[in-house]
Amino acid sequence: EAQVTQNPRYLITVTGKKLTVTCSQNMNHEYMSWYRQDPGLGLRQIYYSMNVEVTDKGDVPEGYKVSRKEKRNFPLILESPSPNQTSLYFCASSFPPPRGRRFFGPGTRLTVL
Amino acid sequence: QKEVEQDPGPLSVPEGAIVSLNCTYSNSAFQYFMWYRQYSRKGPELLMYTYSSGNKEDGRFTAQVDKSSKYISLFIRDSQPSDSATYLCAMRIQGAQKLVFGQGTRLTINP
Repeated sequence: EAQVTQNPRYLITVTGKKLTVTCSQNMNHEYMSWYRQDPGLGLRQIYYSMNVEVTDKGDVPEGYKVSRKEKRNFPLILESPSPNQTSLYFCASSFPPPRGRRFFGPGTRLTVL
Repeated sequence: QKEVEQDPGPLSVPEGAIVSLNCTYSNSAFQYFMWYRQYSRKGPELLMYTYSSGNKEDGRFTAQVDKSSKYISLFIRDSQPSDSATYLCAMRIQGAQKLVFGQGTRLTINP
């Protein structure tokens, strides 16, 4: 089944404790991206990657890191999480824009205490 | 002012009603317009995709784009309880990777 998977789905952590949210897709998509979804603000892009080893900032990159060492994986790293990073996170993938629909993962709900 | 405005609702209608969901936008460079449906505890999934102006129909769903008014709509005919979800509009400039999303409208169809 074609899909985007994220792990973990739920995470509660404390301020300053480094964490990684993994994202993997099995559709051979070149393009991958991370979003956060907050009430009243909709989906905002954090980082995106057009291909392996090619990443760039989205609208809200502060406090986040990404890497793209393999085509299928695009982990999101929070080096020192803070409470304002409490949010619902989505990973997405597609063939290079503009072609191809964007597939979203199931989401990771992160709470930083 | 946000680039894309969408009434967050919530919107509650009886089963069988026609539902109208709308977004307005400020950037006249947007050329691609999408509607995503997001069920609770799930990721968004693409529902409708329209390029430039005009209408597009897919079963019970119709997407309309009015570029002169910077206004897009999604109509759901014969609404079903299974249509209960959050609907997000999204837009993109030609050649750009970035999707700009509306806040999403939470819709409930009551049996």
